[in-house]
Amino acid sequence: EVQLVESGGGLVQPGGSLRLSCAASGFTLSDYWMAWVRQAPGKGLEWVAHIQRDGSDKNYMDSVKGRFTISRDNARNSLFLQMNNLRAEDTAIYYCARDDWLDVWGQGTSVTVSS
Amino acid sequence: DVVMTQSPLSLSVTLGQSASISCRSSQSLLASDGNTYLYWFQQRPGQSPRRLLYKVSNRESGVPDRFSGSGSGTDFTLKIIRVEAADVGVYYCMQGTHWPPYTFGQGTKLEIK
Repeated sequence: EVQLVESGGGLVQPGGSLRLSCAASGFTLSDYWMAWVRQAPGKGLEWVAHIQRDGSDKNYMDSVKGRFTISRDNARNSLFLQMNNLRAEDTAIYYCARDDWLDVWGQGTSVTVSS
Repeated sequence: DVVMTQSPLSLSVTLGQSASISCRSSQSLLASDGNTYLYWFQQRPGQSPRRLLYKVSNRESGVPDRFSGSGSGTDFTLKIIRVEAADVGVYYCMQGTHWPPYTFGQGTKLEIK
């Protein structure tokens, strides 16, 4: 069964950092681009970033450029999102998704940025 | 960035009736390779999003044929016939032609009347 499981969310103060992880199973991670998508409370979906199969190409939404870094470890079947200098507006559920045009999603991990 | 505009933003439908959701893009979604990268997602209450349709009209495995997609260029439609209670949730369109970024519509909330 194809599955994505996120972890690493939590409560962090503004300016703080968090590292999200996504464990992939049931498929070969290195065959796919992978993405992070977020959803603020009561709001819609927002694509955050994605990364090429071997990690050589990455793209980010404008508001997270320079603060977030997407990475992957294909040998460990894992995707990561390092989030630095967090702001209140980054508060959201963060979903890991297989980027065959977002065909498979995880259950999400909640990030709250608040003092 | 391409702006995706859905209408209506909420929809109340009687069980067994049909529902239709419109999605319009600010630019044509026809790509140079001849494909149109327009997708529909369903998010049931308390759940993660799930992709229903890809490239305008192709249903994912396990998606009932009550769901259908149509359209071209900048205008697209998701139609649900014989609406069931399990269809309650929020529906999003998303474009993947002009990336980055992928962009989503605002979402349309479907409820049962």
